[in-house]
Amino acid sequence: QLHLQESGPRLVKPSETLSLTCTVSGGSVSSHYYWGWIRQSPGKGLEWLGNMYYNGNSYYNPSLKSRVTISVDTSNNQFSLKLSSVTAADTAMYYCARRASSGWPNFDFWGQGTLVTVSS
Amino acid sequence: QSALTQPASVSGSPGQSITISCTGTSSDVGGYDYVSWYIQYPGKAPKLLIYEVTNRPSGVSNRFSGSKSGNTASLTISGLQAEDEADYYCASYTSTTLVVFGGGTMLTVL
Repeated sequence: QLHLQESGPRLVKPSETLSLTCTVSGGSVSSHYYWGWIRQSPGKGLEWLGNMYYNGNSYYNPSLKSRVTISVDTSNNQFSLKLSSVTAADTAMYYCARRASSGWPNFDFWGQGTLVTVSS
Repeated sequence: QSALTQPASVSGSPGQSITISCTGTSSDVGGYDYVSWYIQYPGKAPKLLIYEVTNRPSGVSNRFSGSKSGNTASLTISGLQAEDEADYYCASYTSTTLVVFGGGTMLTVL
């Protein structure tokens, strides 16, 4: 069974870069899937951030595109998120997720999520 | 890209059927048969419930069904059970931002 687990700092200062890693077990990031990130602000809805294929092909939410970078590390079976110039508005639960083979907007495996707070 | 519009809350009694709507535009819900629904329990990650408007992933109860008319998609839960009490989110492919989610609907089982 595929398992995704987020890790990274839970507290980030304003203007700095948020960095998270998702470790995949029970499957390979080199398989034919897109891997990505979705966040949920406290008490609010879901926001798609972006997805990347292991060969580097990527898609990002245009509203965040200039600040978001997703990368895939096949040697460690991980993928990562970097969100630059963060503000309090970026405080959220961040989920890593696999896009299903059926395509957009289907995400069939999710990590448990990690809450990141932006505060000085 | 604005979020898809869902009612903030719906409720129903055990055994009843309820429907949650998800309204978008011709650039998302109305333009493509790529609408999904997710269920999210408190403190848990969302789980895919319906994809491509009407399809259920393996293991999802047939009490959950999806449909679409124009710019509005709907999720119907029949034979409501206490375990159905959760938040529900719709999502759609969109020509502008690729993926857009609804604001979420809290289902209360009375």
